[in-house]
Amino acid sequence: RKEVEQDPGPFNVPEGATVAFNCTYSNSASQSFFWYRQDCRKEPKLLMSVYSSGNEDGRFTAQLNRASQYISLLIRDSKLSDSATYLCVVMNSGNTPLVFGKGTRLSVIA
Amino acid sequence: EAQVTQNPRYLITVTGKKLTVTCSQNMNHEYMSWYRQDPGLGLRQIYYSMNVEVTDKGDVPEGYKVSRKEKRNFPLILESPSPNQTSLYFCASSDRVYNSPLHFGNGTRLTVT
Repeated sequence: RKEVEQDPGPFNVPEGATVAFNCTYSNSASQSFFWYRQDCRKEPKLLMSVYSSGNEDGRFTAQLNRASQYISLLIRDSKLSDSATYLCVVMNSGNTPLVFGKGTRLSVIA
Repeated sequence: EAQVTQNPRYLITVTGKKLTVTCSQNMNHEYMSWYRQDPGLGLRQIYYSMNVEVTDKGDVPEGYKVSRKEKRNFPLILESPSPNQTSLYFCASSDRVYNSPLHFGNGTRLTVT
């Protein structure tokens, strides 16, 4: 089983739709979790950290399920500008590098 | 402006001709890292550095070298590039590894013919 797995998509959704991505991780000792966004041919940028209690930033909600070892990202009221690849990122322990998923591609269509 | 600067943005070279991709950050970050990104394979870590004079191999270090003589710079060296090193390369830095966001450079698109 790969360390961090994501559905590659693409997810094609109409504007205004709600879309959710899941990401599973294999190491039960993983400590920190993040979602990054990457536009085509650009560098990844931090979208949000994922906290144990779940967290929300505007239209974006991130959740962590430690028992089932997955994190999720929910995007409400999708905009055209949300079209990008969303990378799930996991850190296993305090001094180990981050592990990136391969990303889920989202296309929001007018 | 806080940033990670990579140079060059685009590079076309021939097999065997040594090259260096520079990476510099102005945020006094301890942690720096190099990644390559290929279609279908995602971001793969090449080398990383926890601090000055401390470097470690990532997932795909073969064919690459790095150095960390000073905090701000973390160059990636390809002593003898080969076509399978054609890729999009990203340098990144963060304040510390734990729970800190990574700041990425703009990327270097390398083509080895």
